[in-house]
Amino acid sequence: GQNIDQPTEMTATEGAIVQINCTYQTSGFNGLFWYQQHAGEAPTFLSYNVLDGLEEKGRFSSFLSRSKGYSYLLLKELQMKDSASYLCAAMDSNYQLIWGAGTKLIIKP
Amino acid sequence: DAGITQSPRYKITETGRQVTLMCHQTWSHSYMFWYRQDLGHGLRLIYYSAAADITDKGEVPDGYVVSRSKTENFPLTLESATRSQTSVYFCASSNSGDFAGELFFGEGSRLTVL
Repeated sequence: GQNIDQPTEMTATEGAIVQINCTYQTSGFNGLFWYQQHAGEAPTFLSYNVLDGLEEKGRFSSFLSRSKGYSYLLLKELQMKDSASYLCAAMDSNYQLIWGAGTKLIIKP
Repeated sequence: DAGITQSPRYKITETGRQVTLMCHQTWSHSYMFWYRQDLGHGLRLIYYSAAADITDKGEVPDGYVVSRSKTENFPLTLESATRSQTSVYFCASSNSGDFAGELFFGEGSRLTVL
């Protein structure tokens, strides 16, 4: 079956760095997405990886290892506004997105 | 610059009633999607549409009906609501061809079925 695993909740301190991991099992693979979702709001796109390696976008970076079925989202210089859920989603061979349940990130001052 | 809008944002209904959730996008995106989001679950695809008059089932289509007579609208109807359909419903759109990954979501419709 197809499956996405990510931690349910993480806590980090303002100004620090946090890494949110995601492992996936899909029928075929056409990329890995990260979305951010603030409480009560819609998800918004953060990143897309289809090749192995690190993609950097300001304070946020996303890494992919296709051979390991593994990705992580790295958030640097954490700010209080980064408190949100982070959703990992893998695209299968039919271009359908398989979503993880999300990681709730709590930032403490 | 409305983007993608959903209505109603909040709805309370009773078991057995018909409910329609509306979704409208102003970008002329070809792909549109309906997801439901429940605590402890990832987003689950209900139905999607690749273009006007083309719709297809997703992971959890039972109990739902969609139509897409115009590119910009994609209503979702619960023909006879059940308590298990209490959820937050998100409409999304994408302008990609066979790559339909980067989605633009509406603000969500929170539905409670009593």
